[in-house]
Amino acid sequence: GAGVSQSPSNKVTEKGKDVELRCDPISGHTALYWYRQSLGQGLEFLIYFQGNSAPDKSGLPSDRFSAERTGGSVSTLTIQRTQQEDSAVYLCASSPNPFEAFFGQGTRLTVV
Amino acid sequence: DQQVKQNSPSLSVQEGRISILNCDYTNSMFDYFLWYKKYPAEGPTFLISISSIKDKNEDGRFTVFLNKSAKHLSLHIVPSQPGDSAVYFCAATDQAQGAQKLVFGQGTRLTINP
Repeated sequence: GAGVSQSPSNKVTEKGKDVELRCDPISGHTALYWYRQSLGQGLEFLIYFQGNSAPDKSGLPSDRFSAERTGGSVSTLTIQRTQQEDSAVYLCASSPNPFEAFFGQGTRLTVV
Repeated sequence: DQQVKQNSPSLSVQEGRISILNCDYTNSMFDYFLWYKKYPAEGPTFLISISSIKDKNEDGRFTVFLNKSAKHLSLHIVPSQPGDSAVYFCAATDQAQGAQKLVFGQGTRLTINP
């Protein structure tokens, strides 16, 4: 597709379970970002990839969160032992340059 | 530590009038600023940007103004249209840092009334 694709679009999980969120960036974009938006909040930076490496992981809220990117393309954000406060919309973006990010539609995660 | 702040969570404007969305930042290292627009159930989409070497950038109905001394930027939409109803996010970055991390504000929900 032409845009950033995220899957699943919605995920309901039980507290304590692990979840994986997937992001397919725009082909050729070397930079990839994960953000999350909790209810009533702005966009919170989680992690940034340049190629397959993650020079900035400063936004990951705890060690239950991890992310990887393979082949300079697809990225997976994993949340282990989910908690209710992890409920949010997780947004992935890719970028061809330092100044502009193209976002996917997001994954709405609900932890019950 | 909210480095980018949008103090108005919502704004209501009559169709045809001017919409002014405001954004303040605290990090003096920020030198590139962007506005994103977000419809429900969609990801944010890039709208307009401005570098710190400028104080104004215009694109059709959208104009962004930057006041570096006040660490303030604003987005003007003239004339406002019903399709402009969305959440608007201000974002900032420090190009020299190289981290290419966009720091976003909390967003302002703009409603254009017919």
